[in-house]
Amino acid sequence: QSVLTQPPSVSGAPRQRVTISCSGSYSNIGKHGVNWYQQLPGKAPKVLIYYDDLLSSGVSDRFSGSKSDTSASLTISGLQSEDEADYFCSVWDDSLNGWVFGGGTKLTVL
Amino acid sequence: QVQLVESGGGMVQPGGSLRLSCEGSGFSFKNFAFHWVRQAPGKGLEWLTAMSYDGNSIYYADSVRGRFSISRDDAKHTVFLQMNGLRREDTALYYCARDIDFRPSASGHFDHWGPGTQVIVYS
Repeated sequence: QSVLTQPPSVSGAPRQRVTISCSGSYSNIGKHGVNWYQQLPGKAPKVLIYYDDLLSSGVSDRFSGSKSDTSASLTISGLQSEDEADYFCSVWDDSLNGWVFGGGTKLTVL
Repeated sequence: QVQLVESGGGMVQPGGSLRLSCEGSGFSFKNFAFHWVRQAPGKGLEWLTAMSYDGNSIYYADSVRGRFSISRDDAKHTVFLQMNGLRREDTALYYCARDIDFRPSASGHFDHWGPGTQVIVYS
């Protein structure tokens, strides 16, 4: 059971917008910046968003991040088939003195 | 360009040991912190350990503290993960990841990842 809670799956049609949530607590999301990683099938993870809402170099601006209190969100606009992947949130946790990942969310483009 | 390549994975019996390596190229290796992250079959990501550029700051997840140890050899541009007392639940794909900074911090993230090396613990 992960410290960070993500929905197991989300889906959307091409050109639609989807949002993936990541729920934590004060010791992690409440105090520190959240990072989002995309893992394409059979590939290593790649950072999309860091420190809540900063877009990593080379990443499409269709991806955006936000945070409120102890929850964070990743929004993907203008869905494309190439966005089908697993998405993970990650943040430092003061109680565990280490980094934690959400359980991951599988995005399906219908 | 930045590249990380892991090696050293394989099949081992419970209680056995393995030493994973991660060689970096295309950047100034000595100036960065590194992490190890694993992914069990069909599961999510699990952060394991991190080491600062100078080796003075080291962090471990509870699940591996006392069994795994991280180290680095800057002359060889390599970071290591020594894994002892392996258990079946350690079966996973092990990734090496570079930190954005020279010291792991709460404001950091993992900006480059290797393709991973597979570890299978079987009885």
